[in-house]
Amino acid sequence: DVKVTQSSRYLVKRTGEKVFLECVQDMDHENMFWYRQDPGLGLRLIYFSYDVKMKEKGDIPEGYSVSREKKERFSLILESASTNQTSMYLCASSLTGAIEAFFGQGTRLTVV
Amino acid sequence: QKEVEQDPGPLSVPEGAIVSLNCTYSNSAFQYFMWYRQYSRKGPELLMYTYSSGNKEDGRFTAQVDKSSKYISLFIRDSQPSDSATYLCAMSAGQGAQKLVFGQGTRLTINP
Repeated sequence: DVKVTQSSRYLVKRTGEKVFLECVQDMDHENMFWYRQDPGLGLRLIYFSYDVKMKEKGDIPEGYSVSREKKERFSLILESASTNQTSMYLCASSLTGAIEAFFGQGTRLTVV
Repeated sequence: QKEVEQDPGPLSVPEGAIVSLNCTYSNSAFQYFMWYRQYSRKGPELLMYTYSSGNKEDGRFTAQVDKSSKYISLFIRDSQPSDSATYLCAMSAGQGAQKLVFGQGTRLTINP
C-alpha cells in the first residue's frame, strides 16, 4: 500500500512563527503536492514538485515555500505564519502521468 | 467563477436511500473525472474515475459524465452509514495528478 505520512496531525503556532510541515512517501513517486483544505473552498494547490529540488507554484503559493531535498520528502514552510493560514494541510504524491494522487492524513494547523 | 462547482451540502439521507452527488465544470478540456471520498480526520482516497463521457459502475457506486452539459454525477445505491463522508469531485485535462482541479466537496451523512 502507498503510504503518505505527515509528521503532525495537529499544530498550534503563534503569529509570525516560521512553521515547517513535513511529508514522507514510501512508493518512490516522482510527484509530491501540498494542498490546503478550507470549508466551502475545497482543496487548493499550494505547490507541487515533480523531482528532487524541482518545484512549481500552484494556485495559492503566497506566504508559503517548499523544499524537496530527497525524493521521498516534501516540506511546506510558512515563513511567517498568519491567522489566515489556519487550515487543514494535505500532502499527496503520485507517479508521473498517473491521475491518482495518494493523500496523507492531513495536518490541522491553527495560528493564534 | 470556479472551474469546478460542487454543492457543499450538507446532505443527510436515511439508510438505504439512493444518493446523487453532482458537479458542474466550465473547462471543456477536462478528460478525466474522479470522485474522492474523505472520511472525517482522514485524507481523501480515490473512489472511482471515468475517462471522457459515459457511465462507470463499481458495486453500489455509479459515476456518470455528460460532457455536453459539463455535468458529472456520483450515485450511491442502498446507502450505508459507512458511506458517511465528504465526497470531492476532481477533474484533469490529462496532464496527470499535478493538474487536478477539485470541487468544494459535499458532506454526506447516512442516518441508520
